[in-house]
Amino acid sequence: AQSVAQPEDQVNVAEGNPLTVKCTYSVSGNPYLFWYVQYPNRGLQFLLKYITGDNLVKGSYGFEAEFNKSQTSFHLKKPSALVSDSALYFCAVRVHLSGGYQKVTFGTGTKLQVIP
Amino acid sequence: DVKVTQSSRYLVKRTGEKVFLECVQDMDHENMFWYRQDPGLGLRLIYFSYDVKMKEKGDIPEGYSVSREKKERFSLILESASTNQTSMYLCASSFYFSVEGAGGYTFGSGTRLTVV
Repeated sequence: AQSVAQPEDQVNVAEGNPLTVKCTYSVSGNPYLFWYVQYPNRGLQFLLKYITGDNLVKGSYGFEAEFNKSQTSFHLKKPSALVSDSALYFCAVRVHLSGGYQKVTFGTGTKLQVIP
Repeated sequence: DVKVTQSSRYLVKRTGEKVFLECVQDMDHENMFWYRQDPGLGLRLIYFSYDVKMKEKGDIPEGYSVSREKKERFSLILESASTNQTSMYLCASSFYFSVEGAGGYTFGSGTRLTVV
């Protein structure tokens, strides 16, 4: 089955330290990968995507993600965490359906807690 | 500013009631989606639609139906609400089949439904 996995339910990091939120994927063909963020009582917001090209993708709010084909990973990173980065982060992958349709499948989410 | 608007932030309904969750987008997107979000399970796709009057089952369609009579509106219907349908419901939209559309979902703020 085509899917993404987020192995950590929660990540704690001190403010100012680098952060990493992990994601691995399992898809047939070339993956389209995404990261979304959800702040409390809000819908999800698109952060960044990898379609093709450079393995390091830059997105909103200073986040970036590194695509690693050999490890089938797409980890989200930020050089210096802010308290305001505390939120729920979702990794997602586009999957192909019969009939030529597509949909996006989400991981289970990782709660990021940035400690002042 | 583009928007996906869900008609209610919070709803409390009784078991057996017929429940309508409404979603409207103003971006002229072809694709619309309904997800439910539960702790530890991430987002699970209930139904989606790629065109007016078109609908496709997602991963967990049982107990739900949808209606898309106009391009901008996608309604989720709980035919007979049950307590296991207590959840956060998220509506999303995107452009049709484009690279941008494959990942550039715009989400509503969500409806937290409680069935008692």
